[in-house]
Amino acid sequence: KAGVTQTPRYLIKTRGQQVTLSCSPISGHRSVSWYQQTPGQGLQFLFEYFSETQRNKGNFPGRFSGRQFSNSRSEMNVSTLELGDSALYLCASSLTSGTQYFGPGTRLLVL
Amino acid sequence: GENVEQHPSTLSVQEGDSAVIKCTYSDSASNYFPWYKQELGKRPQLIIDIRSNVGEKKDQRIAVTLNKTAKHFSLHITETQPEDSAVYFCAASIPGNQFYFGTGTSLTVIP
Repeated sequence: KAGVTQTPRYLIKTRGQQVTLSCSPISGHRSVSWYQQTPGQGLQFLFEYFSETQRNKGNFPGRFSGRQFSNSRSEMNVSTLELGDSALYLCASSLTSGTQYFGPGTRLLVL
Repeated sequence: GENVEQHPSTLSVQEGDSAVIKCTYSDSASNYFPWYKQELGKRPQLIIDIRSNVGEKKDQRIAVTLNKTAKHFSLHITETQPEDSAVYFCAASIPGNQFYFGTGTSLTVIP
């Protein structure tokens, strides 16, 4: 099976702009989770979608939002970008729960 | 919510020696504990996991132990090799598929 894919792989934006990231899970996986990874902070949980519904949510401001489509593909949106949003954004998929498999990530740089 | 602490943050060992990374968690409801290895510029890869009904699991040179009473779990790598050099993350999952990650351990194996 093909692994988790994410697009784009790299992105440069300026403060105040918005950005949309995409994640395609492993075929048959219905859960998609999103994480923000920054040096020294590890992986911070953003949210998890299952069957087009947000099932879990981390402690991030409302500027961070997401959605999931009927084919389980997920998108994450960040509005009004701040310098501190520069990070590697990882998504991970799992069947329904349990073992998560990560995508390669989208590296976002906010100038 | 759950809080996962990971130690040490950096670890250097001689090739052939053993490496041990320890994590503690706070939520007794956590029931699944995966370990991920992340090489520079790559996605986190699952290397081993353990469920709360098991005390120890081994896969070749890698083993994980879980002490539910003390709420801690550890990763043991024996006969380390230079290719084991990477950042290792522990995680704890509570029912409902929400994962909490440690801040990572940067392991360097010195040839």
